[in-house]
Amino acid sequence: DVKVTQSSRYLVKRTGEKVFLECVQDMDHENMFWYRQDPGLGLRLIYFSYDVKMKEKGDIPEGYSVSREKKERFSLILESASTNQTSMYLCASSRTGDNEQFFGPGTRLTVL
Amino acid sequence: QKEVEQNSGPLSVPEGAIASLNCTYSDRGSQSFFWYRQYSGKSPELIMFIYSNGDKEDGRFTAQLNKASQYVSLLIRDSQPSDSATYLCAVTGANNLFFGTGTRLTVIP
Repeated sequence: DVKVTQSSRYLVKRTGEKVFLECVQDMDHENMFWYRQDPGLGLRLIYFSYDVKMKEKGDIPEGYSVSREKKERFSLILESASTNQTSMYLCASSRTGDNEQFFGPGTRLTVL
Repeated sequence: QKEVEQNSGPLSVPEGAIASLNCTYSDRGSQSFFWYRQYSGKSPELIMFIYSNGDKEDGRFTAQLNKASQYVSLLIRDSQPSDSATYLCAVTGANNLFFGTGTRLTVIP
């Protein structure tokens, strides 16, 4: 059974803190994605990765960075969290050549 | 212009009726089209995909694609209260998917 897991369901951080969101998939998928989802704005792509150590900017990469040291793990980093980064963060993965993306349960991040 | 446009709704239909959800997209080169269902507080889950013009049926769900009009739709027959959710349309881009903002569907018992 396909599985994408995220490290936390809910997270509360303070402005200026460094935040790590972890995503792990057990399907041996090459591609991994980080989205944020906000009311009225839908899913917006932050970063994606096609392979280990590879990363590509999505539509809204500002204020974020990513790390992919292992195939199964894709981390999203907020270097200095700000209140406008309060959002639901969704990780997804897919196999190369297959556009179907499988989503993790999401992390609801609140930055105070 | 957004890559993928959906009516945000809410769309309300009575139980047993047909719910029709629509989506338009801007990139004529898009090849694959997906419908995801997202329950409140949950992550999106894939319910249908379609690659070719015409209709594709899966149980109570039918996806319709018209590439000339750049239009894709989802019909839900015999709507059930459990179908109440937000439905996201997604379209392939160069390297990833573009998502619409979703249509919220409420099925009234």
